Amino acid sequence: DTAVSQTPKYLVTQMGNDKSIKCEQNLGHDTMYWYKQDSKKFLKIMFSYNNKELIINETVPNRFSPKSPDKAHLNLHINSLELGDSAVYFCASSKGTSGGASETQYFGPGTRLLVL
Amino acid sequence: AQRVTQPEKLLSVFKGAPVELKCNYSYSGSPELFWYVQYSRQRLQLLLRHISRESIKGFTADLNKGETSFHLKKPFAQEEDSAMYYCALIENSGGYQKVTFGTGTKLQVIP
Repeated sequence: DTAVSQTPKYLVTQMGNDKSIKCEQNLGHDTMYWYKQDSKKFLKIMFSYNNKELIINETVPNRFSPKSPDKAHLNLHINSLELGDSAVYFCASSKGTSGGASETQYFGPGTRLLVL
Repeated sequence: AQRVTQPEKLLSVFKGAPVELKCNYSYSGSPELFWYVQYSRQRLQLLLRHISRESIKGFTADLNKGETSFHLKKPFAQEEDSAMYYCALIENSGGYQKVTFGTGTKLQVIP
């Protein structure tokens, strides 16, 4: 069973379009994340979300919005896509404890987004 | 603010040579540090974490608070070690985690 899955694996679209990437985890984790990996392989956190709180990286444009229908899903919606949005987007999850040791994050396979 | 620095973008070594991937951090609290690895076109996965003090695939990393470092080492590099390696500092805060990744180091093991 895949612990963290993302769809689609590849996404090619035109500038200006709106698209969504889905993420699902079957680990029973409380916290989920979205990361962007650019062409230089630099990994940057975009959002972290649990039942109580959405933490947004202040550098993320408001065209990006996470939506969580339930604890096992955190989808990423992107409006008015731009060329610079082309990247690999990774979803991840962790147990999300309220204290104590930090948890390992489990990553999805990534979604390669290409904006033309 | 927490910060993670990986000074080398690319590290090339010959097969069988020792490997050291550098990671330095700045953090005011007690850090929890991880190394993640990404093989070509695969997902990011945990390699090791400092609190486990374990050796995975021959890699070890020791947290040096005096030097604020968490360098990843392996005595003899293998071709299958070629990958991107990310150092990460995780702060557990009120039910969520704040994660800071370094910029990554690409390890290239030359046959």
